[in-house]
Amino acid sequence: EDKVVQSPLSLVVHEGDTVTLNCSYEVTNFRSLLWYKQEKKAPTFLFMLTSSGIEKKSGRLSSILDKKELSSILNITATQTGDSAIYLCAAQPISGTYKYIFGTGTRLKVLA
Amino acid sequence: DVKVTQSSRYLVKRTGEKVFLECVQDMDHENMFWYRQDPGLGLRLIYFSYDVKMKEKGDIPEGYSVSREKKERFSLILESASTNQTSMYLCGTTEPGSSYTFGSGTRLTVV
Repeated sequence: EDKVVQSPLSLVVHEGDTVTLNCSYEVTNFRSLLWYKQEKKAPTFLFMLTSSGIEKKSGRLSSILDKKELSSILNITATQTGDSAIYLCAAQPISGTYKYIFGTGTRLKVLA
Repeated sequence: DVKVTQSSRYLVKRTGEKVFLECVQDMDHENMFWYRQDPGLGLRLIYFSYDVKMKEKGDIPEGYSVSREKKERFSLILESASTNQTSMYLCGTTEPGSSYTFGSGTRLTVV
């Protein structure tokens, strides 16, 4: 059975800290891994990773995929209270469909 | 950007009621979906639709049905709501090569 596991489940840090969120996957015929940020409403897209070892960056956020280890990390540097959210990781198989397998998410709280 | 609109942000229904959750996209996307999100369980797929004629059950379709009479509208139906269907419901759309775009979600409480 395909699955995605995220760790930690929750995290509390102070503003300015750097955090690393982890995502591991066991997916048959893996195509891509995606990260989303969810505040109080719709998850919003952060990154799509298809190639191993290539870092993607957006401001203070960065992410990288390791296909050998079947995992990905999401780094947030110089955290701000606005980074408080649930971070979702999802894997997409190559199956001719567009279904994602989601992890349970990591709840991040950044204290001022 | 694609916009996905869910008709209700919060909804409270009674056990046994028939419940309709509506989802509308403003682009001409073929693919639409419904997930439910529960603490500790993450997002679980209820139904996926590839076009108005094709709907596929996801991982947890029991107690739900769907309707897609027009390409832009995908409705989730709870035939007889139960308390274990209290959840956050997320719909959205996607196209080949692109990521999911979600609606704002409907938080349904069944009492």
